[in-house]
Amino acid sequence: AIQLTQSPSSLSAFVGDRVTITCRASQGVGSSLVWYQQKTGKVPRLLIYDVSNLQSGVPSRFSGSGSGTDFTLTISSLQPEDVATYYCQQLFIYPHAFGQGTKLEIK
Amino acid sequence: QVQLVQSGAEVKKPGSSVKVSCKASGGTLSTFDINWVRQAPGQGLEWMGGIIPIFGTVTYTQTFQGRVTITTDKSTGTVYMELNRLRSDDTAVYYCARHRGELWGQGTLVTVSS
Repeated sequence: AIQLTQSPSSLSAFVGDRVTITCRASQGVGSSLVWYQQKTGKVPRLLIYDVSNLQSGVPSRFSGSGSGTDFTLTISSLQPEDVATYYCQQLFIYPHAFGQGTKLEIK
Repeated sequence: QVQLVQSGAEVKKPGSSVKVSCKASGGTLSTFDINWVRQAPGQGLEWMGGIIPIFGTVTYTQTFQGRVTITTDKSTGTVYMELNRLRSDDTAVYYCARHRGELWGQGTLVTVSS
């Protein structure tokens, strides 16, 4: 099974900062990688699909990049409403594992 | 607009079973796969398994192999997830989600307690 490792596990940044979260896969996942945002007590929300495609309605400050085994979610200018836990997930082969999550807070 | 509507919260005894439903409201399940994901209190997301309703093909993660069954009723557009031999650490919110996660159910809290 493919394992996904996110880093960091948590981070704190100022409003307006550029924030980067990394997801590393134990083997290649092609372009079948997605990113979710989950706010406390809420259902996960799809942000990015197929590595770099922005889901409809998601602010353009979110972007995804990467290839092979290394992927990145970037928030270009952190906003207070971005406080959440972020997860990557691979859809390349079953089981469709998630990363362990990155908790993002505002300084 | 299609929504995924799940059944309500459940409280179960250890060793029993729970069956959670996920119905496509306002549309059909179509050819997209429906996946089940769970989240224990304070923990991350855990993929359990998925089904392609139109074909009935099912895949489960090894962790739940033998304890979980995912089925579909095409006539009603409903997918079911049944988890057997419940333990206290199965207490979690269980979600259904379509395909690459563009659509999720509202979640169903399953509490396992004696």
